[in-house]
Amino acid sequence: EVQLAESGGGLVQPGRSLRLSCTGSGFTFGDYAMSWFRQAPGRGLEWVGVIRSKAYGGTTEYVASVKGRFSISRDDSKGFAYLQMISLKTEDTAVYYCTRGRDGYVWGSYRLKEPAFDIWGQGTMVTVSS
Amino acid sequence: DIVLTQSPGTLSLTPGERATLSCRASQSVSSTYLAWYQQKPGQAPRLLIYGASSRATGIPDRFSGSGSGTDFTLTISRLEPEDFAVYYCHQYDGSPWTFGQGTKVEIK
Repeated sequence: EVQLAESGGGLVQPGRSLRLSCTGSGFTFGDYAMSWFRQAPGRGLEWVGVIRSKAYGGTTEYVASVKGRFSISRDDSKGFAYLQMISLKTEDTAVYYCTRGRDGYVWGSYRLKEPAFDIWGQGTMVTVSS
Repeated sequence: DIVLTQSPGTLSLTPGERATLSCRASQSVSSTYLAWYQQKPGQAPRLLIYGASSRATGIPDRFSGSGSGTDFTLTISRLEPEDFAVYYCHQYDGSPWTFGQGTKVEIK
């Protein structure tokens, strides 16, 4: 069975750091770009960032609100993706989800192939509060 | 940023009725990169529709998607009790990837 599972959430004070993990099973982890999304309590979904598969450079991209504070990495040998969060703010409080998507180039542009985001983890809650 | 606006915010219907949910983009989005999700309380989003009109694996055929450019629609032909949930549209055509604010389908 194809699965993703997040871990590492918890209560953290503003300004501190936290690292979330996402592990995948039932598929070839390294063939996929891995994305992180989040959902603040009672709010909608927000994309956080993505790390491309190594075949497409393993580079990262982030939403503006987390750039310079969050970084995504991956260890394909272990089937893990990580979200390192520093300088946390109260507005980072959310459930964080990881999901997958096969990547490639379409007409010279980097894209995710269909169907992307077909599998999601159960999420891990991050609460930033003093 | 591409802003997705979903309407209505809440849809109050009875089981067996048809639900029509709208998603309007602030600029043109390639259909290939337009998806719909269902989310129930305490659960992760579930992919329903990708490529604007293709059903994800295991999704019943009462769910259908359509549209192009800036206007997209999710239709649930006959609501089942398990379909009462929040639905989000999502574009990953332009960065940053964005979501609509959601439409809640509730039991009338």
